[in-house]
Amino acid sequence: EVQLLESGGGLVQPGGSLRLSCATSGFSFTTYALSWVRQAPGKGLEWVSSISGSGYSIYYADSVKGRFTISRDNSKNTLHLQMNSLRAEDTAVYYCAKGDTVTTGSDYWGQGTLVTVSS
Amino acid sequence: QSVLTQAPSASGTPGQRVTISCSGNNSNIGTNYVYWYQQLPGTAPKLLIYKNNQRPSGVPDRFSGSKSGTSASLAISGLRSEDEVDYYCAAWDDSLRGWVFGGGTKLTVL
Repeated sequence: EVQLLESGGGLVQPGGSLRLSCATSGFSFTTYALSWVRQAPGKGLEWVSSISGSGYSIYYADSVKGRFTISRDNSKNTLHLQMNSLRAEDTAVYYCAKGDTVTTGSDYWGQGTLVTVSS
Repeated sequence: QSVLTQAPSASGTPGQRVTISCSGNNSNIGTNYVYWYQQLPGTAPKLLIYKNNQRPSGVPDRFSGSKSGTSASLAISGLRSEDEVDYYCAAWDDSLRGWVFGGGTKLTVL
């Protein structure tokens, strides 16, 4: 059974940093692309970043480019999102999601972790 | 402002067929596959349709997808009360080099 479990969310002050993790199981980790998608309270889905199975291809939304870094630890089947210089508008539930490749849609999603940026 | 355009709401009566539309451009829907997600309140999105018109295992055949040019549609037939949730379309955008989503459509079953 495919499982994705996010962790690391919480309350952080503007300008602060946070590192999200997504522990996965039930599939061949290095074969699949992984993405982060967020959803601000009461709003729609917004793609944040994607990384290929090999880790060589990485893409970011303009809204987070230069502030967020996606990475994957293939030895621990875990996806990470390092978030720096956080802003109030980064407040959202962050989901990790699995897809065949970076350009194919995600078929499994985690339950999400809430990040709140506030003073 | 979402790159893909969806009507914020749609409605239908039980048993009816409703259609939710998603409009994009040649960089996204016109060139790449469209995906549809269903999201219940407080839960993660669930894949409903992939590669324009394919249903994952377990998704009822009441749900169907289609694409024409730079637009796509999700059709739900035999509308049921449990269909009253949010629906999102998504596609890869070659120009933006990233995923784009529609703003979501909230379906009401009258």
